[in-house]
Amino acid sequence: DAGVTQSPTHLIKTRGQQVTLRCSPKSGHDTVSWYQQALGQGPQFIFQYYEEEERQRGNFPDRFSGHQFPNYSSELNVNALLLGDSALYLCASSLVFQGRDNEQFFGPGTRLTVL
Amino acid sequence: GQQLNQSPQSMFIQEGEDVSMNCTSSSIFNTWLWYKQDPGEGPVLLIALYKAGELTSNGRLTAQFGITRKDSFLNISASIPSDVGIYFCAGQLTGANSKLTFGKGITLSVRP
Repeated sequence: DAGVTQSPTHLIKTRGQQVTLRCSPKSGHDTVSWYQQALGQGPQFIFQYYEEEERQRGNFPDRFSGHQFPNYSSELNVNALLLGDSALYLCASSLVFQGRDNEQFFGPGTRLTVL
Repeated sequence: GQQLNQSPQSMFIQEGEDVSMNCTSSSIFNTWLWYKQDPGEGPVLLIALYKAGELTSNGRLTAQFGITRKDSFLNISASIPSDVGIYFCAGQLTGANSKLTFGKGITLSVRP
C-alpha cells in the first residue's frame, strides 16, 4: 500500500522564479492538504483540495495556488518566489468518509531553497 | 498564523525514563493529534483524540484530550533511543474546517 509520495525531493530556485511541486495521495484517499514548514517551526496550512476544488485556504498570498486532478493527485504552484518561501513543503492526504476527515497522512516533503 | 503552545523547545532524558509533553491553545479544538517527525521525513501520526477527557494509548505512548478542549498531553514511558525526534501536537476542528493547526514542536533527545 503506497503512502503519500512527493516530488521532487529537493529543489533550488532563484528569487522571482516559479515552482511546481507534486503530490500523490495514499491509495484510497481523496483529499489533499498542503503545508509549509519553515526551519524550527511546525507546519502551516496552505490549502486543501477535495473533488478538484480548493476547499479551504490558510493565510497565504495568491502567489500560492494549487490544483487537484481526477486521480486525486495534486500540484502546488508558487509564483514570484521570495527568499522567505524557502521551506519544507508537505503534502498530506486523507479520506472524507462520514465526516471523519481528521487523520491526515503526510508525505516526506519537498525541500525548496530560494536563493 | 496561529500555533499551539509547546514548551520547552528541547528535552533531554535518559533511556528508560518516562517523559511528558504538554500542548495548550487559546482556542477550542474538537480533535487533538500527536505527530512525530524524524529528520528528512514528514510527520507521522502517533495518536488521535476525538473526545474531551479521552485517554488513549498506543504502545508506550499515552495521550489525553483535556476536558476544556484547549489542551492535550503526551506521555512516553520507558523511553528508547528510537524515540528521538520532534514531537508536534496539532488541533483540528471537524466538519468543513479540517485544517491542522500545529505547535512548534519539542525536540526529544534520549541518552543511552
